[in-house]
Amino acid sequence: EAQVTQNPRYLITVTGKKLTVTCSQNMNHEYMSWYRQDPGLGLRQIYYSMNVEVTDKGDVPEGYKVSRKEKRNFPLILESPSPNQTSLYFCASGGVGQYFGPGTRLTVL
Amino acid sequence: GQQLNQSPQSMFIQEGEDVSMNCTSSSIFNTWLWYKQDPGEGPVLLIALYKAGELTSNGRLTAQFGITRKDSFLNISASIPSDVGIYFCAGQLDRDDKIIFGKGTRLHILP
Repeated sequence: EAQVTQNPRYLITVTGKKLTVTCSQNMNHEYMSWYRQDPGLGLRQIYYSMNVEVTDKGDVPEGYKVSRKEKRNFPLILESPSPNQTSLYFCASGGVGQYFGPGTRLTVL
Repeated sequence: GQQLNQSPQSMFIQEGEDVSMNCTSSSIFNTWLWYKQDPGEGPVLLIALYKAGELTSNGRLTAQFGITRKDSFLNISASIPSDVGIYFCAGQLDRDDKIIFGKGTRLHILP
């Protein structure tokens, strides 16, 4: 079954404690991306990757890092999370016809 | 940065009615996309448009890529209860470019 998986699905953490949200896809897609969704602001792209070792900033990259060492995985790293990064995060793969993961709800206290 | 203006923000309609929503941009896009998001789920692609003037249908859904490449609309005919959700438009300039989303249109269907 074609899918995008994210872990964890829910996370509560404290300011400054580094965290990683993993994303994996089994469709051999080159394009992967991360979004955050906030009430009234819709979906905003954080980072995207066209292929292994190729990453680019989206609209709201500040405070986030990504890496693309393998085609199937695209982790999102928050080195020092802050409360304004409390949000619902989606990973997606596939370029134009993007498949979205189930989402990760992050709360930073 | 680039922005997509999606309207209306929300709609309340009766079951069976037709729905129309649109998206405009101050800059051009070469690809327009329409997604639907159900509560607690990630967005799902409904229709992708690649050519200015293109009109594409997917069942009861029809979307058009505006001739100026700065707008797109989505129509839903004969709405049914499962059409409830948030509809997003998105634009992409080139295939290796970032994707910009509108803020969504929340569709409610009155019993």
